[in-house]
Amino acid sequence: QVQLVQSGAEVKMPGASVKVSCKASGHTFINYYMNWVRQAPGQGLEWMGIIDPSGGSTRSAQKFQGRVTMTRDTSTSTVYMELNSLRSEDTAVYYCARDGRGENWFDPWGQGTLVTVSS
Amino acid sequence: QSALTQPASVSGSPGQSITISCTGASSDVGGYNYVSWYQQHPGKAPKLMIFDVSNRPSGVSDRFSGSKSGNTASLTISGLQAEDEADYYCSSYTSSNTYVFGTGTKVTVL
Repeated sequence: QVQLVQSGAEVKMPGASVKVSCKASGHTFINYYMNWVRQAPGQGLEWMGIIDPSGGSTRSAQKFQGRVTMTRDTSTSTVYMELNSLRSEDTAVYYCARDGRGENWFDPWGQGTLVTVSS
Repeated sequence: QSALTQPASVSGSPGQSITISCTGASSDVGGYNYVSWYQQHPGKAPKLMIFDVSNRPSGVSDRFSGSKSGNTASLTISGLQAEDEADYYCSSYTSSNTYVFGTGTKVTVL
């Protein structure tokens, strides 16, 4: 079955960067887009951006432009999300979520990665 | 892009039906039939419940249904069960070629 497995929890200092990975299995990696969504403690879901694993093109929410980098490694079916200049407000669970070409929904989701930004 | 507007909470007794609204604009909900709904239990990842306004993925109970009128989409849960107690989020594609989520609704089964 399709599975998305994310990297483990991270603790970072303000101003640092974090890189979260999401390894896909059970489907043809380049045939599906991958999104990144985050959820601050007790808050709602926030869409961050999307990557096309086929060519590597990306687009992101205006809020994160210039601060987020999404990449992929087709040899390991893994996508990465790097967020820099971290601040306390970036403390959140970060999810990857698949969507198909021509589809506009997210299924399945990774298990989530908690990123804590604290001095 | 502002979050879509959902009621903070909705409650109902077992067996009853409840409806959650999701209000956006003509640039998102009203402009496309690309509204999806997600269920999230505490500490868990979201789960897709409805896609393209009213379609249910395989394995999702037919007690869940979706609709849309103008700039407002709705999720209805009929025959409410204890296991339906969770947070629910809507999502829509937007004219900026991005996605936006709703503010989220906590469903309580009385």
